[in-house]
Amino acid sequence: DAGITQSPRYKITETGRQVTLMCHQTWSHSYMFWYRQDLGHGLRLIYYSAAADITDKGEVPDGYVVSRSKTENFPLTLESATRSQTSVYFCASSEDSGVRNQPQHFGDGTRLSIL
Amino acid sequence: GDSVTQMEGPVTLSEEAFLTINCTYTATGYPSLFWYVQYPGEGLQLLLKATKADDKGSNKGFEATYRKETTSFHLEKGSVQVSDSAVYFCALSPRANNLFFGTGTRLTVIP
Repeated sequence: DAGITQSPRYKITETGRQVTLMCHQTWSHSYMFWYRQDLGHGLRLIYYSAAADITDKGEVPDGYVVSRSKTENFPLTLESATRSQTSVYFCASSEDSGVRNQPQHFGDGTRLSIL
Repeated sequence: GDSVTQMEGPVTLSEEAFLTINCTYTATGYPSLFWYVQYPGEGLQLLLKATKADDKGSNKGFEATYRKETTSFHLEKGSVQVSDSAVYFCALSPRANNLFFGTGTRLTVIP
């Protein structure tokens, strides 16, 4: 039961560079999510996807791009990284049960530092 | 809009002490409520949930009761252990596949 895996676990890059964070899940969950975690803000939703080829913005989407060509993968790309995007990024997935009580399952996170 | 307000930390307790972490919410309709826990270096894990008023979620000795009259979902444990040291997040789901988190409360339990 591999679950949900994120890579890399740690990444250091420079301002202006493009960086892609990977997320892979083995449950065939319909929904996938990207959050960023910052001190004092908890987790904030960046983008989510209801199925392959269906994505939508969350609370803080600016500066990020996502794609979902396959159900199991949901990469997050920072097209031109800025220092304000230094954060811990979490990917999550959930089944689409159509009800509010469906929990989300989280990966272990990617700690991204932008210098 | 939908939001969660959670007790600010950090919280430091001695082993076997009683724990309460306060959580209140604002939401339209009848959201589901969750507590997630994050251990150092890991992602969030579901700790417990409640889906309607007066429901009590429980797991690993932790409990929380969905109180619609006070819009609260406080987390409690009667006797904490060192292994409970973690960050705890209250969250609400007003609609399917939609989750709003509080800012998290860091708990440290000392022997």
